Amino acid sequence: DGGITQSPKYLFRKEGQNVTLSCEQNLNHDAMYWYRQDPGQGLRLIYYSQIVNDFQKGDIAEGYSVSREKKESFPLTVTSAQKNPTAFYLCASGEGGSPRFFGPGTRLTVL
Amino acid sequence: GIQVEQSPPDLILQEGANSTLRCNFSDSVNNLQWFHQNPWGQLINLFYIPSGTKQNGRLSATTVATERYSLLYISSSQTTDSGVYFCAVDLTRAAGNKLTFGGGTRVLVKP
Repeated sequence: DGGITQSPKYLFRKEGQNVTLSCEQNLNHDAMYWYRQDPGQGLRLIYYSQIVNDFQKGDIAEGYSVSREKKESFPLTVTSAQKNPTAFYLCASGEGGSPRFFGPGTRLTVL
Repeated sequence: GIQVEQSPPDLILQEGANSTLRCNFSDSVNNLQWFHQNPWGQLINLFYIPSGTKQNGRLSATTVATERYSLLYISSSQTTDSGVYFCAVDLTRAAGNKLTFGGGTRVLVKP
């Protein structure tokens, strides 16, 4: 089945650690996105990539990094510079204009 | 940047009731989408509707672009309609662009 997968579903991080969230899609979409959602809030854009080997900062990129070495993969690293990383992280992909399909999400908690 | 406001913030319905959710946006948009987020966090695209009216089963949506608002109608609500409904907009035509999300309307349908 075509779709977007994210792993892990739950992730616990100690303060000062970097962690990487995985996002894979088999929809053959050029564009991929990372959003952050805080409890009771809407989604905010962290990074997006329109094509392999290229990516752009979104509205809240500080403390995060990404790579896009393959069309189907867009991993997000939450670095120790992100002061309040506890949130729900959603990956999305799309073709021809904007994100359309979302993955199931990763819940990150800082211990 | 563009502002997206959704109302009401919370809605409690008895099963079988009808309801209308509203999305106001502050600028002309090229793209407007409605999403449903289920209680487990999965975000599903309901409509891509920059203008006009569309229907999908018990759901329909209308966007009046000239007046900068969109409405989502839920008819004969069911408990499975519970969750958060998001409106998201995009200003430009270029591929791979980001969406700006509203704060959402949290819907609870009681049996």
